Amino acid sequence: VIWMTQSPSLLSASTGDRVTISCRMSQGISSYLAWYQQKPGKAPELLIYAASTLQSGVPSRFSGSGSGTDFTLTISCLQSEDFATYYCQQYYSFPWTFGQGTKVEIK
Amino acid sequence: QITLKESGPTLVKPTQTLTLTCTFSGFSLSTSGVGVGWIRQPPGKALEWLALIYWDDDKRYSPSLKSRLTITKDTSKNQVVLTMTNMDPVDTATYYCAHKDVVPAAGFDPWGQGTLVTVSS
Repeated sequence: VIWMTQSPSLLSASTGDRVTISCRMSQGISSYLAWYQQKPGKAPELLIYAASTLQSGVPSRFSGSGSGTDFTLTISCLQSEDFATYYCQQYYSFPWTFGQGTKVEIK
Repeated sequence: QITLKESGPTLVKPTQTLTLTCTFSGFSLSTSGVGVGWIRQPPGKALEWLALIYWDDDKRYSPSLKSRLTITKDTSKNQVVLTMTNMDPVDTATYYCAHKDVVPAAGFDPWGQGTLVTVSS
């Protein structure tokens, strides 16, 4: 099983801030990593796949980087609609696993 | 446009078997490389991957739940069914199904709206 450490679990930020979320793997996963955004009461939505490829329709202020064991999601200029919970997911090997989530809240 | 929708009971009793159906449109589960997965989320907690079925009937399960899960597909009906036996209150969660694209590097997209299943006597 590939273990994932996502941090921080809670991030307080203001509109306009640049924020970064980290996801670290217990072993290398190449670039088989996705990032999802989830708003309260809603299903997760894919933001980034293959570690750095922006899903169609996702604003360019979102970006992903990393390969191997260390990955980062960056929101360059936080907007009001970005306050949500973010999850990373590895799909390099089964069982696929999700991170524990990062809640981005208003400071 | 791809859509998925989960259906099934909202309340089950402990020890009962849960059967959930994912009905989808906009893609075919007979297309090479395509898959449908199930993910759950207990209230206020993180996402947990449960199972995945591919176009060629290859099936994968979470090791911690493998003995209790069965995933099947009905290509003609555009449905994927997940059964979970011996339900327990800790299985209370919102259950989602999601589309896995033919591209190996793609993530789950889109997801169904989810269905909340409560386990209680």
